[in-house]
Amino acid sequence: KNEVEQSPQNLTAQEGEFITINCSYSVGISALHWLQQHPGGGIVSLFMLSSGKKKHGRLIATINIQEKHSSLHITASHPRDSAVYICAVTRYGNKLVFGAGTILRVKS
Amino acid sequence: DTAVSQTPKYLVTQMGNDKSIKCEQNLGHDTMYWYKQDSKKFLKIMFSYNNKELIINETVPNRFSPKSPDKAHLNLHINSLELGDSAVYFCASSQPPLAGGPQYNEQFFGPGTRLTVL
Repeated sequence: KNEVEQSPQNLTAQEGEFITINCSYSVGISALHWLQQHPGGGIVSLFMLSSGKKKHGRLIATINIQEKHSSLHITASHPRDSAVYICAVTRYGNKLVFGAGTILRVKS
Repeated sequence: DTAVSQTPKYLVTQMGNDKSIKCEQNLGHDTMYWYKQDSKKFLKIMFSYNNKELIINETVPNRFSPKSPDKAHLNLHINSLELGDSAVYFCASSQPPLAGGPQYNEQFFGPGTRLTVL
């Protein structure tokens, strides 16, 4: 069993819908990261958080340390949000352990 | 200006060959990483170097040898390439955690190198 589990694996939404992607982890961590990988392949860091909640534009990330769970929310989704969203946790030595990713497709 | 760059972007080669992938970062970071993304898009760390010293080596075959000539560069050399080495390889960099501070820092990724072994 992977140390970081994401759900759902695939998600299709209509433009404008509110989207939630979930991440659970089973190990001690320093921080949790949400990354975005576009069809072109590049990986961008969206959020890095160790507690509470962060917001960038239409993206919101939350983490519950006690429950070892994080969510990534996208409000008013748009086709350009279509990408793979990857949850990762920081272990010792700034080592990242990754979830399998969630493939998001937003249809217009 | 590109923060983390990798060359080449695509690499197609025959089994048994030796190849290298280069990575450079201009962010002034001390720590650099190599990650492998397999055909199912799953990412896994391979190596991490801090200021030219190896700090993470994740059960990677000896055929893979990272080389860090200075803290801005971390190259990956692969000997005797096998079919299973086909993947996308990502380089990344970050500042190392400060003693007594948060034990994590944001990582910045290169564009990836798609290696295909025939």
